[in-house]
Amino acid sequence: LAKTTQPISMDSYEGQEVNITCSHNNIATNDYITWYQQFPSQGPRFIIQGYKTKVTNEVASLFIPADRKSSTLSLPRVSLSDTAVYYCLVGDMGEEGRRALTFGSGTRLQVQP
Amino acid sequence: AAGVIQSPRHLIKEKRETATLKCYPIPRHDTVYWYQQGPGQDPQFLISFYEKMQSDKGSIPDRFSAQQFSDYHSELNMSSLELGDSALYFCASSEDYRSETQYFGPGTRLLVL
Repeated sequence: LAKTTQPISMDSYEGQEVNITCSHNNIATNDYITWYQQFPSQGPRFIIQGYKTKVTNEVASLFIPADRKSSTLSLPRVSLSDTAVYYCLVGDMGEEGRRALTFGSGTRLQVQP
Repeated sequence: AAGVIQSPRHLIKEKRETATLKCYPIPRHDTVYWYQQGPGQDPQFLISFYEKMQSDKGSIPDRFSAQQFSDYHSELNMSSLELGDSALYFCASSEDYRSETQYFGPGTRLLVL
């Protein structure tokens, strides 16, 4: 199974840009990379998804290098409400050749005033 | 917009009892995923269904079973409950099997005493 690795925690201040990197060395050819945000006792919420290069939406950007062995979630000008746990999700091959879904270790982002 | 519905939201059981959790996906979503999140832990994938057939299997204990019905709702059946089964159980749905964009429900908090 592919394993993903993220920093355990990050601190930032309001208005700053935050970049969170996820390593996924064994990503499969057809897999997409998806990032989720989770607040305490709530279900994860979709942020952004990409396959290669750069993807941008109204809340974040996702940078994926050519080898796709890592990805970086970029949050521009964070606010206090961005304090949450951020996960990267990469589809990888499970048993019997079927895809399993594995959340990364999660990065706890704390935004200070 | 319609979201994923889970019931019950809270459930208290005793050891060795059984529990059934229900998930109603977003309309026209045919893929359902189940995740377990223990206290302070990351979500762990249990099992998924596509078009009423099991599509992927994760770390689901043999004591648990699940199925997806003709109306696409899914049920997670848990037997011989153990203290360690106390967790948040999330259901997510997506438009199809290959879509990595999953929409999560609010979760069912199960407490086993």
